[in-house]
Amino acid sequence: DAKTTQPTSMDCAEGRAANLPCNHSTISGNEYVYWYRQIHSQGPQYIIHGLKNNETNEMASLIITEDRKSSTLILPHATLRDTAVYYCIVRLNSGGSNYKLTFGKGTLLTVNP
Amino acid sequence: KAGVTQTPRYLIKTRGQQVTLSCSPISGHRSVSWYQQTPGQGLQFLFEYFSETQRNKGNFPGRFSGRQFSNSRSEMNVSTLELGDSALYLCASSFKGAGEQYFGPGTRLTVT
Repeated sequence: DAKTTQPTSMDCAEGRAANLPCNHSTISGNEYVYWYRQIHSQGPQYIIHGLKNNETNEMASLIITEDRKSSTLILPHATLRDTAVYYCIVRLNSGGSNYKLTFGKGTLLTVNP
Repeated sequence: KAGVTQTPRYLIKTRGQQVTLSCSPISGHRSVSWYQQTPGQGLQFLFEYFSETQRNKGNFPGRFSGRQFSNSRSEMNVSTLELGDSALYLCASSFKGAGEQYFGPGTRLTVT
């Protein structure tokens, strides 16, 4: 799996957009970018994933740069419940033996009132 | 649709004992993965099962083992427990292994 680099921590004001960056400069052409988050002492929660196009769902938007070397997860209107550790993971989506998620240290997002 | 369930949620064991943890995946999901989370090492992959076969294994000693049943439910076993095995053990299920995985709440194991 390609290695990812994320800031250790970020702060965001409640109601504002939270933009979480991730660098994955060694990503290969068939690897997807996945985002998960983990609220304290709970299991990680899937957020969104994408290959090259920008993606949006009810939770967040994922912006992937044209060269695919970095991406940004956007939470459009952060709430206190979005305080969590956010993990950016790069992985193949099918085939081979890549049936695992390799978690880094992630970014601790703290949403402040 | 019910989520991933793990039992028990909390467990206290003594060094040298063994423990079995259980995971029930989301209905229709055939892939079950196990992860260990500790403050020092973070989230680490243990193994993954699909249709009762282990397809991938992380870098853990042989004391850690698992299995999957025909109904996709999975168990993991840790023998000869060590203090360092104290951790949150998480189970995740997915339809076929690739794609998004859905995690259970975890089993908090404390070894004394």
